[in-house]
Parts: sequence; C-alpha cells; structure tokens
Amino acid sequence: EVQLVESGGGLVQPGGSLRLSCAASGFTFSRYWMSWVRQAPGKGLEWVANIKQDGNEKYYVDSVKGLFTISRDNAKNSLFLQMNSLRAEDTAVYYCARGGAEPGPDWFDPWGQGTLVTVSS
Amino acid sequence: EIVLTQSPATLSLSPGERATLSCRASQSVSSYLAWYQQKPGQAPRLLIYDASNRATGIPARFSGSGSGTDFTLTISSLEPEDFAVYYCQQRRNWPLTFGGGTSVEIK
Repeated sequence: EVQLVESGGGLVQPGGSLRLSCAASGFTFSRYWMSWVRQAPGKGLEWVANIKQDGNEKYYVDSVKGLFTISRDNAKNSLFLQMNSLRAEDTAVYYCARGGAEPGPDWFDPWGQGTLVTVSS
Repeated sequence: EIVLTQSPATLSLSPGERATLSCRASQSVSSYLAWYQQKPGQAPRLLIYDASNRATGIPARFSGSGSGTDFTLTISSLEPEDFAVYYCQQRRNWPLTFGGGTSVEIK
C-alpha cells in the first residue's frame, strides 16, 4: 500500500523556521516527482513546490520562492520542506503528495494526511 | 499563471440527483486537467485525470469531460458519500494551480 506520512508541523513565531518531513512507503520513491501542497484553514488548495526524481529540478509557487526549499533523500524515501521567514499567511495544513514517474508535472496521487503549521506570536 | 474558476461555489442537491460541476481555465490547458474530492478532515483524493480518465478505484458514476478551457465533472447519481468539496487542477504550466472549489451539499 502506498503511504505518505508527514511530520514536523507545529506552532512557530513569525520569522521563524520549520522543517517538514514526509516518509514514503509502498512504492519506489526514487522514480516519482514529489510535491507539497497546502491548505489554509477553511480555504482551498495551493500548490507549493515540486521536486524531480533526482532532486535536480525544483519548482515553487512565487509566494515561497527564496523562503522555502524542497529536498529529498531517495536513500531514505523521504521528502522535506525547509520553511524560513515564516509569515502568518503560511499557516496551513501542508500535504505531501506523489507526482508522476514521467518527465514534467503530473497529478497528485496519493496524498498524505497532512501536518498543520501555525505561524503566530 | 493559469487561473481556474469553478462554478457554482455551492451545489445543493439530494441523493440520487445528477451533479454537474464546471471548471474554466483562463487559457488553454489542453486536456491537462484533474479533479479531486475532499471530505472534511481528510486529504484530497484524485478522481479524474487528463480531463476524462477515472483514477484507480473511482466509481463509474464519476465522469469528466472537456478540453481547452472548459471542463465538467459529472456525478450521475449522488450517493451519500459524494457530498464533499471538489477541486480542479491544471498541470499545463507552472505554477500548478487549483480552482477555488465547489461544495456539493445535501439539500
């Protein structure tokens, strides 16, 4: 069974940092693009970042460029999101999602259960 | 950035009725459009990809159509478990974008 389990969320002060992790199992992690998608409380979905299979291509939504860094460790079947200079508007549930095995962006399937990040003083 | 506009924002229907949800793109996305279902407290689930292909395990009452800028998700006969929020998403261009969602609620 394909499984994605996020961790690392919590309460952080504005300007602080947090590192999210996503542990993958049930599939060959190194063959797939991976993504982070977030959802602010009561709001819709927003794509945050994508990373290619080998980690050499990364894409970000404009609002997090230069602030967030997506990375992966294929040996440990793990995905990460380093979030710096956090702002109140970054408060959201952050989902890890699997992309496709082909070149280019693909659909998000499946998704993890999400981890809540709250930015507040 | 490709903007996806979903309508209506809310759809009030009874079980057994047909649901028709719309997603319009600000520019052509070809057939690179997906639909997701999200229930309260749960992660989204992929329903339809490439405009009209059902994802693994998705019941046949869900169907997708359209290409270019206009897309439709149809639920032929609503089951109690189908009342949820539905999002469309494009992968034609970066940044990947989602529509604002349509909530299908029980009338």
